[in-house]
Amino acid sequence: DGGITQSPKYLFRKEGQNVTLSCEQNLNHDAMYWYRQDPGQGLRLIYYSQIVNDFQKGDIAEGYSVSREKKESFPLTVTSAQKNPTAFYLCASMTGGDTEAFFGQGTRLTVV
Amino acid sequence: KQEVTQIPAALSVPEGENLVLNCSFTDSAIYNLQWFRQDPGKGLTSLLLIQSSQREQTSGRLNASLDKSSGRSTLYIAASQPGDSATYLCAVDDAGGTSYGKLTFGQGTILTVHP
Repeated sequence: DGGITQSPKYLFRKEGQNVTLSCEQNLNHDAMYWYRQDPGQGLRLIYYSQIVNDFQKGDIAEGYSVSREKKESFPLTVTSAQKNPTAFYLCASMTGGDTEAFFGQGTRLTVV
Repeated sequence: KQEVTQIPAALSVPEGENLVLNCSFTDSAIYNLQWFRQDPGKGLTSLLLIQSSQREQTSGRLNASLDKSSGRSTLYIAASQPGDSATYLCAVDDAGGTSYGKLTFGQGTILTVHP
């Protein structure tokens, strides 16, 4: 089955730690995106990539980093510089402009 | 900066009722608008995509309309069922060109359909 796989589903981070969220797609989509969702708020764009080895900051990139070494993979690292990382993180992909966005099932990150 | 608003924030209806969810956006120069469904603790499922040149899209019991000039979209759900209970999100892509897919989301409408 084609789709987007995010792992892990739940992740716990201690203060001062970096953690990496995985996002893999087998849809052969060029573009991939990371969004953050907080309770009662809409999704906000963190980073996006429209081609391998290239990525751009979204609206709330501070404290996050990404890489795009392979077309199918777009991992997100939440660094210790992100002061309020507890949220639901969603990865998405698109095949091109003016097409549907497909989303993964999300990773819930909690700081303990 | 684009802002997307969804009204109402929550809606509770009896099974079988037809209902309308509203979405408004401040900048009418959009590339497209997409409606999504989100179940609790899950990712988003795309329902309908309306391109800027289109006025509406239909899928089964769902019909979405778009009025770019007034900055509004509506999602019409016919003959609602308990399985329709979820959060419905609208999102606009107003970047287009080489920066496509940078979606701006509304806060969602929480729909509950009771038997």
